[in-house]
Amino acid sequence: QKEVEQDPGPLSVPEGAIVSLNCTYSNSAFQYFMWYRQYSRKGPELLMYTYSSGNKEDGRFTAQVDKSSKYISLFIRDSQPSDSATYLCAMNLLTGNQFYFGTGTSLTVIP
Amino acid sequence: DAGITQSPRHKVTETGTPVTLRCHQTENHRYMYWYRQDPGHGLRLIHYSYGVKDTDKGEVSDGYSVSRSKTEDFLLTLESATSSQTSVYFCAISESVGQGEQYFGPGTRLTVT
Repeated sequence: QKEVEQDPGPLSVPEGAIVSLNCTYSNSAFQYFMWYRQYSRKGPELLMYTYSSGNKEDGRFTAQVDKSSKYISLFIRDSQPSDSATYLCAMNLLTGNQFYFGTGTSLTVIP
Repeated sequence: DAGITQSPRHKVTETGTPVTLRCHQTENHRYMYWYRQDPGHGLRLIHYSYGVKDTDKGEVSDGYSVSRSKTEDFLLTLESATSSQTSVYFCAISESVGQGEQYFGPGTRLTVT
């Protein structure tokens, strides 16, 4: 079993829709949780990161962590065609030197 | 791209030849990482460095070696390239693992024929 599981999609939504992207994980020791956006043929770009449980909002993006369920989510409100990309979740421990990534969910927002 | 450059950006090479990819950062971050990204596998860690001359293996280190002689440079070497090493390679940096932020370079697209 992989440490981080992410549905690869693809996910296709109309412009203006609310998008929900999710990851599950198996290691209860993970403390930091990140979301990256990756456009085609580009490097991943850090969107948001959160520490432990709770919500964090940044503009149209909300990151949510539920440690009891080992489940994290990224919500995109009022989705735009420019949001079309692959979204990667990642997480790490307070100690240790490595980050653990999901395989990414491909999102297309249709005008 | 948070002050990270990778060179070359594209390379085509033949099986059996040595290849070196370079990552250069201007952020003075302690940690540097090399990943490969392949369809269906996502990002997989090859090697990482936690300081000058301090490196360790990741998930898919076989066939790869690394060196870090300066804080700003992290080299990835394929000693004898194979077709299975055709991939997109990303360098990443992090100031402190416990802080949770990792920044990626633009990537190197390597094709081994």
